[in-house]
Amino acid sequence: GENVEQHPSTLSVQEGDSAVIKCTYSDSASNYFPWYKQELGKRPQLIIDIRSNVGEKKDQRIAVTLNKTAKHFSLHITETQPEDSAVYFCAASNPYAGGTSYGKLTFGQGTILTVHP
Amino acid sequence: KAGVTQTPRYLIKTRGQQVTLSCSPISGHRSVSWYQQTPGQGLQFLFEYFSETQRNKGNFPGRFSGRQFSNSRSEMNVSTLELGDSALYLCASSLVEGTDTQYFGPGTRLTVL
Repeated sequence: GENVEQHPSTLSVQEGDSAVIKCTYSDSASNYFPWYKQELGKRPQLIIDIRSNVGEKKDQRIAVTLNKTAKHFSLHITETQPEDSAVYFCAASNPYAGGTSYGKLTFGQGTILTVHP
Repeated sequence: KAGVTQTPRYLIKTRGQQVTLSCSPISGHRSVSWYQQTPGQGLQFLFEYFSETQRNKGNFPGRFSGRQFSNSRSEMNVSTLELGDSALYLCASSLVEGTDTQYFGPGTRLTVL
C-alpha cells in the first residue's frame, strides 16, 4: 500500500522567515495530495491541495509543489507568522489501487512548526 | 453550511466495554471516512462509506466496525475495548467518493481505562 514520509518532524523559524516541509510517497498512481494544519486541540483543516496534473499551486503565502517523477511534494510557507505555529500533515490518495481505494488518505507523520516572534 | 459534527466529543470507557461514535457530514456530502489519531501512529485510515456501503477498510481488527445511514450520517463501533484504543477518532466528509476534498470534524476523544 501507499507509504508517505514527511520531513522534518519539527521545524523552528523566526517570524518572517520561510518554512518548507517535504513529503515523499511510494505509490506512483497517487494523484491527490492535500496538506492539513492542525492546531492544538482542534480538527485538521485543509490549507491547500494539489492534483497530479498540476506542478505547483499557490494561495497567498502558501504554495505546494509536486514532482511526480521523484514522487515528492512540498509545502512552502513564506513570511511566517506566529499564528502559523501548528502541526502540518501531508497526505496522498490513490482512488484506483485495487479498484477499491477510493477516498482513503495516507498521512505523513506530521511536522510541528513553531514560529518565534 | 454547518461543518462536520461528531458526538460525543469526549468518552471515558473501561477495557472490555464497547463504544459507538457518531458523525454527521456536511449537508450534501455523501462520503464519510473515519481516521484514528494517536501520538505514536499519527493519522490512520479506518474505513470509508459512500451511499451506505463500505468502500474501503484500513488495517484494523474486526472489533472496529461502522455503518452509514441513508441520510449519510455515519457511526463507528469499537467492541471489547483495549487500552490501545485510546485515541482521537476523526471523521471526514466529502461531496463524492474518490479524490475529493475531505473536511474533518472536531473528533471524539476516547479514553480507555
